[in-house]
Amino acid sequence: ETGVTQTPRHLVMGMTNKKSLKCEQHLGHNAMYWYKQSAKKPLELMFVYNFKEQTENNSVPSRFSPECPNSSHLFLHLHTLQPEDSALYLCASSQDASGRFNEQFFGPGTRLTVL
Amino acid sequence: KQEVTQIPAALSVPEGENLVLNCSFTDSAIYNLQWFRQDPGKGLTSLLLIQSSQREQTSGRLNASLDKSSGRSTLYIAASQPGDSATYLCAVRWWNYGQNFVFGPGTRLSVLP
Repeated sequence: ETGVTQTPRHLVMGMTNKKSLKCEQHLGHNAMYWYKQSAKKPLELMFVYNFKEQTENNSVPSRFSPECPNSSHLFLHLHTLQPEDSALYLCASSQDASGRFNEQFFGPGTRLTVL
Repeated sequence: KQEVTQIPAALSVPEGENLVLNCSFTDSAIYNLQWFRQDPGKGLTSLLLIQSSQREQTSGRLNASLDKSSGRSTLYIAASQPGDSATYLCAVRWWNYGQNFVFGPGTRLSVLP
């Protein structure tokens, strides 16, 4: 595997379900990001992890819970979501979030539908 | 609040044309700016990253320029091809805005054979 991978690619869940999105980067990077892309809206940054520490939380509701066990893996745990949370969730990585080397590389995304 | 805009929202050109996509941003104190392309339903592909100290970057048929004083970047695509059809996004990071990249809404490009 190369680059940034995300699983699952598609997810349908009810409002009472609990699910997790997984992201893995094979680029040796130290920063990882979660973004949300809704129809008709610009890409929105949700969370940033730099060297496994959360450095940005863009006022994301607590029903989204990120986890970064190491620099290569990032999870987004989902519980009691709302239909308006349906979107494409994109993961990205960069060498470093705080320095010049923050060119971001994206995964293919997880298409989430909340019923 | 920092904002990024992109005009036009959509553009349709015949194959072979040279074209320019525009990105405008509030506040000239940017750290860097990155251009991406996104195919429908897919992730983003990085095209070019321009640091605040640079005026332009080139990769193949693509050239991105940066004019901080006017708050603008342009992406020039030479000799467009149908395979260039995609949505083009620019993202800006500012010195005083944490580690956020703020994305523009994108320009949807269609190159007709």
